Amino acid sequence: ETGVTQTPRHLVMGMTNKKSLKCEQHLGHNAMYWYKQSAKKPLELMFVYNFKEQTENNSVPSRFSPECPNSSHLFLHLHTLQPEDSALYLCASSQGQALNTEAFFGQGTRLTVV
Amino acid sequence: TQLLEQSPQFLSIQEGENLTVYCNSSSVFSSLQWYRQEPGEGPVLLVTVVTGGEVKKLKRLTFQFGDARKDSSLHITAAQPGDTGLYLCAGAQGGSEKLVFGKGMKLTVNP
Repeated sequence: ETGVTQTPRHLVMGMTNKKSLKCEQHLGHNAMYWYKQSAKKPLELMFVYNFKEQTENNSVPSRFSPECPNSSHLFLHLHTLQPEDSALYLCASSQGQALNTEAFFGQGTRLTVV
Repeated sequence: TQLLEQSPQFLSIQEGENLTVYCNSSSVFSSLQWYRQEPGEGPVLLVTVVTGGEVKKLKRLTFQFGDARKDSSLHITAAQPGDTGLYLCAGAQGGSEKLVFGKGMKLTVNP
């Protein structure tokens, strides 16, 4: 238990569906992140939020829409996804945005787009 | 072009054997982290190295940061089945907000 909880753990959705991934952290951290982990590819940073403000959008397609209502919660809204978007989506949090700060990861949501 | 190259990408060994994982780059990093990810879980931080030439030990795991801060190694002594997992290195570059990850090394330790 890392203190970062992601739901759902598994999700299968069609290309026309709309779904949301949820992340909650109980660590009192200020920064939260979305990462994408695909087979045979390195972990890719998608979005960074610091004190609820988005500070990084790593050229992510608009079919992925993040939302950070407060420092403890982070959502990733999904719509009209493609099969190549199937991957493990990981949420992480850290005390600050300093790059040598430890990131605590959730267990991830395994997404399959059919 | 992959910024951080990890080798080997896969390794299957017997319990009790030693192994070394490498993380190499042509770029300089201000710090480098090693994570382990078990199946069905997120990555968990093992260590952060900051100073060139730094060596850190965590029980049977020894981490080294290269003198030029471009590479790192992880050595595991007397591997155990519980060491099985994906080992990821991640580098931080000064002036960039991004932590760059390698593809990882998938280790299987057989009893």
